[in-house]
Amino acid sequence: NFMLTQPHSVSESPGRTVTISCTRSSGRIASNYVQWYQQRPNSAPTTVIYEDNKRPSGVPDRFSGSIDRSSNSASLTISGLKTEDEADYYCQSFYNSTNWVFGGGTKLTVL
Amino acid sequence: QVQLVQSGAEVKKPGSSVKVSCKASGGTFSSSGISWVRHAPGQGLEWMGRIIPILGIADYAQKFQGRVTMNADKSTSTAYMALSSLRSEDTAVYYCARFEMARIVTWGQGTLVTVSS
Repeated sequence: NFMLTQPHSVSESPGRTVTISCTRSSGRIASNYVQWYQQRPNSAPTTVIYEDNKRPSGVPDRFSGSIDRSSNSASLTISGLKTEDEADYYCQSFYNSTNWVFGGGTKLTVL
Repeated sequence: QVQLVQSGAEVKKPGSSVKVSCKASGGTFSSSGISWVRHAPGQGLEWMGRIIPILGIADYAQKFQGRVTMNADKSTSTAYMALSSLRSEDTAVYYCARFEMARIVTWGQGTLVTVSS
């Protein structure tokens, strides 16, 4: 098994760009796809990135995902920040091909 | 667009069991899988396990092995998650999520389970 470590919180101003990291504790980040989910308070999560860098239809292209083999981490980048982007963001990946692992979540504040 | 509709909120006593349903509305599960994820107050998302309804095969997170059972009724396109030996730490919102390969396509609206004496 492995852990996915995210910063507890990040904050940025509207219109700016923010990047949230997700570091895998063991094994290669590129071994399994990474997904990202947005969860607003009292709402179900929604998928914003899947398979490392793909966006579901309806997700603005301000959201992008990437992986960095050198730091063994994945990143979610949100550009042109809007107040509506304020939410918790979770990364998720797989082990043993069937089991899922979530990161601890990052609270994004847009102020 | 297939939506997932979950059963209503539950209040349970410690030591009892709960069963949450998740019905595909507007379609079927087809070859998708259903994962169950919970969100306890002040905590992050936690994966509990998954089932592939067309195969009837379930995989559970080690933490819940022996306490959780997931199954699905293909005829009604309904998935179920049962959790036994409930304790206060199991108080959470439980979500079902339909996935295809690595992608969660649809999330249920969530079911609040409160465990309290």
